[in-house]
Amino acid sequence: TQLLEQSPQFLSIQEGENLTVYCNSSSVFSSLQWYRQEPGEGPVLLVTVVTGGEVKKLKRLTFQFGDARKDSSLHITAAQPGDTGLYLCAGGFKTIFGAGTRLFVKA
Amino acid sequence: DVKVTQSSRYLVKRTGEKVFLECVQDMDHENMFWYRQDPGLGLRLIYFSYDVKMKEKGDIPEGYSVSREKKERFSLILESASTNQTSMYLCASSLTGGNDSPLHFGNGTRLTVT
Repeated sequence: TQLLEQSPQFLSIQEGENLTVYCNSSSVFSSLQWYRQEPGEGPVLLVTVVTGGEVKKLKRLTFQFGDARKDSSLHITAAQPGDTGLYLCAGGFKTIFGAGTRLFVKA
Repeated sequence: DVKVTQSSRYLVKRTGEKVFLECVQDMDHENMFWYRQDPGLGLRLIYFSYDVKMKEKGDIPEGYSVSREKKERFSLILESASTNQTSMYLCASSLTGGNDSPLHFGNGTRLTVT
């Protein structure tokens, strides 16, 4: 059974700080997706990483897929209150999800 | 823009009631999914469907059934609601099962079973 473990579960930081959240598995994934979910809404896709070692940037967000395609990370530079939300990684044939990292960015 | 619409934002039902959660997508997507989301557990797949009248069990299908009579509509049925089915239910659709086919989610139905 494929599992995705995310860390940390909760993160509360000040505006302007940098942060990294992690998504790890013992299984190999052909791709991993990152979603962000805001209260009262469904998750929204941020990015899909497909190639081992791949790095994708989305403004202040940098996503990396591990060389072995078992893990991924999301780095946010100079976090802003608008980045507050639940960040979820997902992957696999049935699109399984990790438990998520809940991020609070204080102004 | 893809729109996935869930019929209710909030539902309160009594133990033992039969509950129907409806989901409609407007972009002719092949795949549709039902997840439940609970704090600390993330999204767990209940059922998914890759075509009309086709369904596959997810990780937690017990106590649920689904129906997909038309391509755009995917219904989740709780045959006899129980309190442990109190949760946020999220419907999603995707064009295909490939890597480049992201899931598009509805805004969720928060179900409370008393």
